[in-house]
Amino acid sequence: EAGVAQSPRYKIIEKRQSVAFWCNPISGHATLYWYQQILGQGPKLLIQFQNNGVVDDSQLPKDRFSAERLKGVDSTLKIQPAKLEDSAVYLCASSLAFGGIYEQYFGPGTRLTVT
Amino acid sequence: SQQGEEDPQALSIQEGENATMNCSYKTSINNLQWYRQNSGRGLVHLILIRSNEREKHSGRLRVTLDTSKKSSSLLITASRAADTASYFCATVSLYGNKLVFGAGTILRVKS
Repeated sequence: EAGVAQSPRYKIIEKRQSVAFWCNPISGHATLYWYQQILGQGPKLLIQFQNNGVVDDSQLPKDRFSAERLKGVDSTLKIQPAKLEDSAVYLCASSLAFGGIYEQYFGPGTRLTVT
Repeated sequence: SQQGEEDPQALSIQEGENATMNCSYKTSINNLQWYRQNSGRGLVHLILIRSNEREKHSGRLRVTLDTSKKSSSLLITASRAADTASYFCATVSLYGNKLVFGAGTILRVKS
């Protein structure tokens, strides 16, 4: 079974530039998550989709971050404009269904460096 | 905000020894999960323990949960160099549906 795919794996941009990350979840998984993991910390949930609808985006900095999940499959996360403090690993995960009892499967992440 | 707090922050042991990591949390939970993260395999789910369970085993892993103390422990027996990784506890609150991760414990197993 193919895992969660993410691209790019690494990205270096200057502050105030924009960047986009792509995620392809495991086939058949209804729920998709984006996490931000700053060095030395655990992942922090940014946004959670159930099919193509947003379930929770309470920790997404909406003035600069946006995310969409078209057709309930792939998802993109965008940052515009980027700040130095956005340097982190962005992890995408998926689970079979919505609810905290379902195991989440994580992709390899995108390491973003903002200079 | 991070719900779980792992202890210790870092742990270094010899291959073959046991490793114990602890996690404390603040609010009532539905379940608690442990994840491992290393550069090779990314973040991987290890085990889930529900609030009405006290102990769970999976291979060389043993997880305990004490809801009265709001704490959990992860025991890895007969550690191997391949167990070198960061270990995170993550909680799902009683009426919530999202994982809240702690800051993690860095485990180094020396061969």
